[in-house]
Amino acid sequence: SFGLTQPPSVSVSPGQTATISCSGDRLPKQYAYWYQQKPGQAPLMIIYKDTERPSGIPDRFSGSSSGTTVTLTISGVQAEDEADYYCQSADIIGVVFGGGTRLTLL
Amino acid sequence: EVQVVESGGAVVQPGGSLRLSCVVSGYTFSNSWMTWVRQAPGKGLEWVANIKEDSSEEYYVEPVKGRFVISRDNIKTSVYLEMNYLRAEDTAVYYCATQIVGALGFDHWGQGTVVTVSP
Repeated sequence: SFGLTQPPSVSVSPGQTATISCSGDRLPKQYAYWYQQKPGQAPLMIIYKDTERPSGIPDRFSGSSSGTTVTLTISGVQAEDEADYYCQSADIIGVVFGGGTRLTLL
Repeated sequence: EVQVVESGGAVVQPGGSLRLSCVVSGYTFSNSWMTWVRQAPGKGLEWVANIKEDSSEEYYVEPVKGRFVISRDNIKTSVYLEMNYLRAEDTAVYYCATQIVGALGFDHWGQGTVVTVSP
């Protein structure tokens, strides 16, 4: 299996843009997925296959990929976006999650 | 609407056993891999195990290999996690999730069931 590295925390002012990175050696060969988790709630998929957005997810959430790093971008951050964000990928024998990034609004 | 509902969580002593269940409705269950993910108190998400649509393949994270067994019943649209030789470090919220058809992400999650391993 392989590891995914995320920054532990990101802070941003409301209305600004937040970027959360996720790095891993296998990412050039495997898709990444992003989840949002609010306290006491189950994770919610917000990006799949690096850049795709499930129905019902606001378009201020977007994903991108470059080499060994994938990035979640939240444009025009709103108070309701304060949460933990996890990247996830997989290979032939298992699934791995990043350690999570706590997004805090200033 | 897809619904995923876990059950079976409890307080159990170290070395004990527990069986978790997960029922899925509003979804083509037999076309999807299923997975279990856990989250220890105050910690991040950890994938535990997954199982192929026809039960022909199963995969486990290293710390649970030989102790946990995942299974499914496509008629009952249910997936199970049999947990044996439980340890304190298995204490967590256990989530069941459906896997995107043809991909390796998880699109529908239950609210989780709590497993506490304590003397």
